[in-house]
Amino acid sequence: ELKVEQNPLFLSMQEGKNYTIYCNYSTTSDRLYWYRQDPGKSLESLFVLLSNGAVKQEGRLMASLDTKARLSTLHITAAVHDLSATYFCAVVDYGGSQGNLIFGKGTKLSVKP
Amino acid sequence: DGGITQSPKYLFRKEGQNVTLSCEQNLNHDAMYWYRQDPGQGLRLIYYSQIVNDFQKGDIAEGYSVSREKKESFPLTVTSAQKNPTAFYLCASSIGDTFASGANVLTFGAGSRLTVL
Repeated sequence: ELKVEQNPLFLSMQEGKNYTIYCNYSTTSDRLYWYRQDPGKSLESLFVLLSNGAVKQEGRLMASLDTKARLSTLHITAAVHDLSATYFCAVVDYGGSQGNLIFGKGTKLSVKP
Repeated sequence: DGGITQSPKYLFRKEGQNVTLSCEQNLNHDAMYWYRQDPGQGLRLIYYSQIVNDFQKGDIAEGYSVSREKKESFPLTVTSAQKNPTAFYLCASSIGDTFASGANVLTFGAGSRLTVL
C-alpha cells in the first residue's frame, strides 16, 4: 500500500523568504500532482509531474519529481501573503488496474508580512 | 462556465438519518469521484465511477452508497451505518477514467460540510 508523507505539516514564513515543502512516498510511482486548497474551499490543481526529473514552474512556485528518491518538492520563492493556503501532493498508486490517487495530509502554509 | 456543483454546502444530520449529497458536472467528464476530508488529513476516496451505471468502492466505502444514472450526476448517500460521518465531502471529476496512464487532473467541486448533531 502506497503511503504519502508531507513535511512540514505546518509552515509559517515571512514574506520575501524562500522555503521548500517535501512530499515522500513509499512505493514506486512516476506520476504526482500538487493541489492548493484555501480555507473551506475546494482543491485547485497546481502541477502535474509525469516523469522522473520533471520540473514545472508557475509564478513563485516550482515543483520537481525524483522518482528514484520517491520525492517531490514544492519550492516557494520570495513568498507573498497570497500564497497562504494548504498544499497537497497526491501520488498515483498503480496497485489496481486503473490506478488510484493517494493524497498526503497537506502542508498548511501561512505567510506573514 | 463549466464546473462541478455540490449541494448543499452545509448539512446537519441527526443520528440514524440518511442524507444525500448532490454532485452535478457540466464538463462532459467520464469519471466522477467522492472524497472525504477530515481536519488535518488528506483526502480519502469513498467511491468512484468511470461510466454511467457503474461505480467502484474506494478506500472507505463502508456506510456510504452512490448511483450514476446520468453522466452529469453522481450523488452520495451517507447512511446511518456510517458511524462517524462528520466531515467535509468533495466531489471531483476527470476527463480520463484512469490514473495509470497520462495526466488525469481532477476538477473539484466546492464541497459539502456534513455535521452530525
